[in-house]
Amino acid sequence: GNSVTQMEGPVTLSEEAFLTINCTYTATGYPSLFWYVQYPGEGLQLLLKATKADDKGSNKGFEATYRKETTSFHLEKGSVQVSDSAVYFCALTPPMDSSYKLIFGSGTRLLVRP
Amino acid sequence: DVKVTQSSRYLVKRTGEKVFLECVQDMDHENMFWYRQDPGLGLRLIYFSYDVKMKEKGDIPEGYSVSREKKERFSLILESASTNQTSMYLCASRNRDTYFATNEKLFFGSGTQLSVL
Repeated sequence: GNSVTQMEGPVTLSEEAFLTINCTYTATGYPSLFWYVQYPGEGLQLLLKATKADDKGSNKGFEATYRKETTSFHLEKGSVQVSDSAVYFCALTPPMDSSYKLIFGSGTRLLVRP
Repeated sequence: DVKVTQSSRYLVKRTGEKVFLECVQDMDHENMFWYRQDPGLGLRLIYFSYDVKMKEKGDIPEGYSVSREKKERFSLILESASTNQTSMYLCASRNRDTYFATNEKLFFGSGTQLSVL
């Protein structure tokens, strides 16, 4: 079946450190891949997306590259800020799925200390 | 900006009570979704609705029902609340779109934390 696996958190970093949050997926064919972010007390927001192999999604200094060969979509940022503290969710849409469902990973909490 | 509003931020109910969670969106979106969010499990889809009066079961519909009488409102109903339904409930909406690859534009409400005692 289709699934998403994320690294467990929390991830605790100092400000300006490099961030990587790992995400791997299982799907038949070519799913679309997404990162959503949930700031404290808020709903989820789309952070970035990639719809085909080797695509790189980017937004607000975050990047993730769709790697078909390793079935991965790791989230990276070169220099994190305190304001990046949030929960990050990796998600996929199964290929040729007409139900418009998103399948989410379990989420990774990021805490950035000043 | 799209606004998805959930009626309560925190809710405490007793076992066996009938519970209504309300969600309203103001952007004329066709599709609406209810998820529950639990630590270590991420978001799991309970029900979704393509359009008014249409509904489809998600991955964990047991113990829940939904109502979509008007386009802007999608209600989640717990017929007889149980303690294992204590969770954060998130509503989301999006425009219907022809292309699968662009269906990521889900807009989420800020959630309702439900505690069933």
